[in-house]
Amino acid sequence: GIQVEQSPPDLILQEGANSTLRCNFSDSVNNLQWFHQNPWGQLINLFYIPSGTKQNGRLSATTVATERYSLLYISSSQTTDSGVYFCAVGPTSGTYKYIFGTGTRLKVLA
Amino acid sequence: KAGVTQTPRYLIKTRGQQVTLSCSPISGHRSVSWYQQTPGQGLQFLFEYFSETQRNKGNFPGRFSGRQFSNSRSEMNVSTLELGDSALYLCASSFIRGTYNEQFFGPGTRLTVL
Repeated sequence: GIQVEQSPPDLILQEGANSTLRCNFSDSVNNLQWFHQNPWGQLINLFYIPSGTKQNGRLSATTVATERYSLLYISSSQTTDSGVYFCAVGPTSGTYKYIFGTGTRLKVLA
Repeated sequence: KAGVTQTPRYLIKTRGQQVTLSCSPISGHRSVSWYQQTPGQGLQFLFEYFSETQRNKGNFPGRFSGRQFSNSRSEMNVSTLELGDSALYLCASSFIRGTYNEQFFGPGTRLTVL
């Protein structure tokens, strides 16, 4: 099955810093999403981005499907950005499930 | 539109008992997926339902089962609970069109097995 790797596993930033989170996947996919999991466990949709580039405020994402990776950029980080960021890929032909990466745990210090 | 709702939000059970969790998808979404999240195993796919049919099942024992009703609401059941079943159970709903399949998650049910 598809393997999804996220890096770095942990990241500590000072408020105001920028960061780049990476998601590598081992096979072609039809769908790719980025989520932020808040301290209460809720998964918040950040981007649906199987290819191309999108921006939403201080966050942007780029997926290069032909090279099987996606990047999430966080600019001018705030303490409320803390939490775990997940990349999820799928479903591919013949299956109906998303595969999640292991996540990047981000802590933003005031 | 209302989001995905899950009930109950918290649950405490003892080993050997069974539990039923409920998920109401976003109106118009016919696909419902369930995931288990534990600190050691991360987010793992349990099963996916579309129009009352289970289309995919993850690598979980038969104690884990689910169903979907005609109004797209879904339930999952875990029988003979084990300590290792303690986890956050997340439900996601999707509107599917062709290859487009974007998931939206509910707040989860946190299950503790004592």
